[in-house]
Amino acid sequence: DAKTTQPPSMDCAEGRAANLPCNHSTISGNEYVYWYRQIHSQGPQYIIHGLKNNETNEMASLIITEDRKSSTLILPHATLRDTAVYYCIVRVGNTGNQFYFGTGTSLTVIP
Amino acid sequence: DTAVSQTPKYLVTQMGNDKSIKCEQNLGHDTMYWYKQDSKKFLKIMFSYNNKELIINETVPNRFSPKSPDKAHLNLHINSLELGDSAVYFCASSLTVGANEQFFGPGTRLTVL
Repeated sequence: DAKTTQPPSMDCAEGRAANLPCNHSTISGNEYVYWYRQIHSQGPQYIIHGLKNNETNEMASLIITEDRKSSTLILPHATLRDTAVYYCIVRVGNTGNQFYFGTGTSLTVIP
Repeated sequence: DTAVSQTPKYLVTQMGNDKSIKCEQNLGHDTMYWYKQDSKKFLKIMFSYNNKELIINETVPNRFSPKSPDKAHLNLHINSLELGDSAVYFCASSLTVGANEQFFGPGTRLTVL
């Protein structure tokens, strides 16, 4: 599975959009981009995933560039409860391949 | 209702002891996992079971022995505990092998003295 690069930490003001970038320049055609987050002392939580089209659900939006070498997770109105470590993972979809969590981005939402 | 539960939440023990961590999921999922998160916060897959059968063993020492009595349970037994086993252990489940969403338990913090 392709590797990802994320900034180690970011801050965001409460109520503003949080934009978390992820580079995955070696992604292959059948690999999906997944986002999970881990709130302090809890287990990771699935957020969203996509292949090449932009995706949106009740938690976030995922914007994938046309060349698929990078993506951005958008939390439209960040709240204090969104403070967490966010993991960007690429994996071949719907296979037995596992999720390999990197170091992620530690997002702090500031009041 | 808790989807994926683990017991105990905290476990403190001496080197050389044998201990078990239990995991149960009430989601009706076929696949369950054990992950280890070390002090540097790296989260790594250890094992994966599908319908009680082992499908992934990520070069974990054989002191670690998972047991799946049924689809809803995946317990982790650790023999001869070492200092380096201190970590948070997370159980997870997914509908099928390779499903997009894995559901994680709250974790068990193991401290080996």
